[in-house]
Amino acid sequence: QSVLTQPPSASGTPGQTVTISCSGSSSDIGSNTVNWYQQLPGTAPKLLMYYNNQRPSGVPDRFSGSKSGTSASLAISGLQSEDEADYYCAAWDDTLNGHWVFGEGTKLTVL
Amino acid sequence: QITLKESGPTLVKPTQTLTLTCTFSGFSLSTSGVGVGWLRQPPGKALEWLGLIYWNDNKRYNPSLRNRLTLTKDTSKNQVVLSLANVDPVDTATYYCADRQTSIFGVVISFGSWGQGALVTVSS
Repeated sequence: QSVLTQPPSASGTPGQTVTISCSGSSSDIGSNTVNWYQQLPGTAPKLLMYYNNQRPSGVPDRFSGSKSGTSASLAISGLQSEDEADYYCAAWDDTLNGHWVFGEGTKLTVL
Repeated sequence: QITLKESGPTLVKPTQTLTLTCTFSGFSLSTSGVGVGWLRQPPGKALEWLGLIYWNDNKRYNPSLRNRLTLTKDTSKNQVVLSLANVDPVDTATYYCADRQTSIFGVVISFGSWGQGALVTVSS
């Protein structure tokens, strides 16, 4: 059912920078902004980034987002063990009367 | 402070209708720009958006569920109800409700606050 493409996994060591990609199409990422959600094990998702690169209050500036064309990316610098989680990108799709589409999720492992 | 909580049955039989209620506080669904969405996550799988109901009673549904899904709101009770007809074991998932807010500057924040989720199993 997922429409946005993410790598299934990513990893890094503490202190490193990790980037997670999200690929879509002209009707979703190409036309609208991207949100990112973080889901820690056993918990509900949490909004991490909205409008491509805006952090909600309380999200560390180690997290940054960007978008170019029909792709987006989430970068995590100064990786910490607490960043180990699943990350999902999402965007509004203008087709079929409009609907949200999500990525398949990327499991980030901190080695 | 915004809070949301899902409630409903934990077990539903195939072909039945699943009804879940999202009860929220900290905002009103009568406020312009506000909405409540539903999402779900099958065990070990990705998030899936189900639908969204807006303050003006407009609704948007996942195209793959449009013929089975209905969202309604009761503004006075601060509740949104999800009805999913003719359920199948593949509908087994944790169901979440989440908010949509619009700031005075027109910034839309979708799914900024989430409920804890409700695990629903579809099995005979």
